[in-house]
Amino acid sequence: TQLLEQSPQFLSIQEGENLTVYCNSSSVFSSLQWYRQEPGEGPVLLVTVVTGGEVKKLKRLTFQFGDARKDSSLHITAAQPGDTGLYLCAGGLKGETSGSRLTFGEGTQLTVNP
Amino acid sequence: DTGVSQNPRHKITKRGQNVTFRCDPISEHNRLYWYRQTLGQGPEFLTYFQNEAQLEKSRLLSDRFSAERPKGSFSTLEIQRTEQGDSAMYLCASSFFSLAGGLYNEQFFGPGTRLTVL
Repeated sequence: TQLLEQSPQFLSIQEGENLTVYCNSSSVFSSLQWYRQEPGEGPVLLVTVVTGGEVKKLKRLTFQFGDARKDSSLHITAAQPGDTGLYLCAGGLKGETSGSRLTFGEGTQLTVNP
Repeated sequence: DTGVSQNPRHKITKRGQNVTFRCDPISEHNRLYWYRQTLGQGPEFLTYFQNEAQLEKSRLLSDRFSAERPKGSFSTLEIQRTEQGDSAMYLCASSFFSLAGGLYNEQFFGPGTRLTVL
């Protein structure tokens, strides 16, 4: 059983469209990160959220942490081919030692077609 | 470039051989993590160090796996008697941990070592 469930698993859209990726859990997280990973490379950190209800924006990307700190979403506005990649959510479980392991979701593979 | 580096980037070995991977973290980071990622999955935690002390090992980590960080800088991950099921991307990450940092647990990943066991 995955502690972090991401949906959808695969998403193929046209350039200029908007999209939202979801990351859900029945567990509470102290913090949650979003990463983007390209084939054959390691994940690259996009954002960290720690406060329930927190919203962070990074250019065309908007990240939200749920009020109960059990879920998060990533919204991309006007997607571009350069946004193509595997989007991973990961978090530190509440109750685990701070700064220890990250628990990852399975990822959402996004393809933006020109 | 002062990011996390990993060597080698690719390793092909025969079943039963031993392999060793190296990770050089970001220089000021005191914590170093190893994860394993198979195709279509997110990374899975293996172990982590604070300075030279190994603080946690996953139950996924069999006795054939051992990791060290002898001087609190670079780390090595050794797999003995490799099996085909060990084929995966092995990722290293580092972070700077301090109690003052609060709940942030920002880990920065290297490019990974792709292991193929034939």
